Amino acid sequence: QVQLVESGGGVVQPGGSLRLSCAASGFTFSSYGMHWVRQAPGKGLEWVAFIRYDGSNKYYADSVKGRFTISRDNSKNTLYLQMNSLRAEDTAVYYCAKSLFQLQWLPFDIWGQGTMVTVSS
Amino acid sequence: SYVLTQPPSVSVAPGQTARITCGGNNIGSKSVHWYQQKPGQAPVLVVYDDSDRPSGIPERFSGSNSGNTATLTISRVEAGDEADYYCQVWDSSSDHQDVVFGGGTKLTVL
Repeated sequence: QVQLVESGGGVVQPGGSLRLSCAASGFTFSSYGMHWVRQAPGKGLEWVAFIRYDGSNKYYADSVKGRFTISRDNSKNTLYLQMNSLRAEDTAVYYCAKSLFQLQWLPFDIWGQGTMVTVSS
Repeated sequence: SYVLTQPPSVSVAPGQTARITCGGNNIGSKSVHWYQQKPGQAPVLVVYDDSDRPSGIPERFSGSNSGNTATLTISRVEAGDEADYYCQVWDSSSDHQDVVFGGGTKLTVL
């Protein structure tokens, strides 16, 4: 079935780096835009980044611009989020999500189960 | 940046109708999407493009959007509908693209 599975979360010190992965299955990964969304403990949803189906365009929330990099490997059906210069406020569950339509950003029809990132000394 | 405003909480008795609003400047000109999130789970899309339902979502879930307010309506509310609900829009202009979520509304079934 259609599935997204995140991995790579963990505990990291402020200023550190972490790379998240999102393995896709059950659909043609190379045909859809993909997103990262995060949710701080007890808080709402916050969009983080988007990458076009072919990786040609990438967009970021202001809160992570210059620190995070979204990428994808369509040959491996995998989405990535490289997170550098991490701050305490980056602590959250990170979800990857698939765009419902091939040529539109929204909505997100499939979400992963999430991976927890904790930034703490 | 574009702001979406949702009430923090809505309470309704089983069998009644719940209405969750999402306010934004001229939101009626945008496509609004709604997600349901139960504790410890990932969000689930329940309404998209203002009023369409993904396959598998009960007809009890419906949406509307006009002026400065979009509304998610849940008819014949059941205990299993208790969750957080988020509205979402795409905000774009010549110099930025952004995905905006409302702050979320906790639906309590009394």
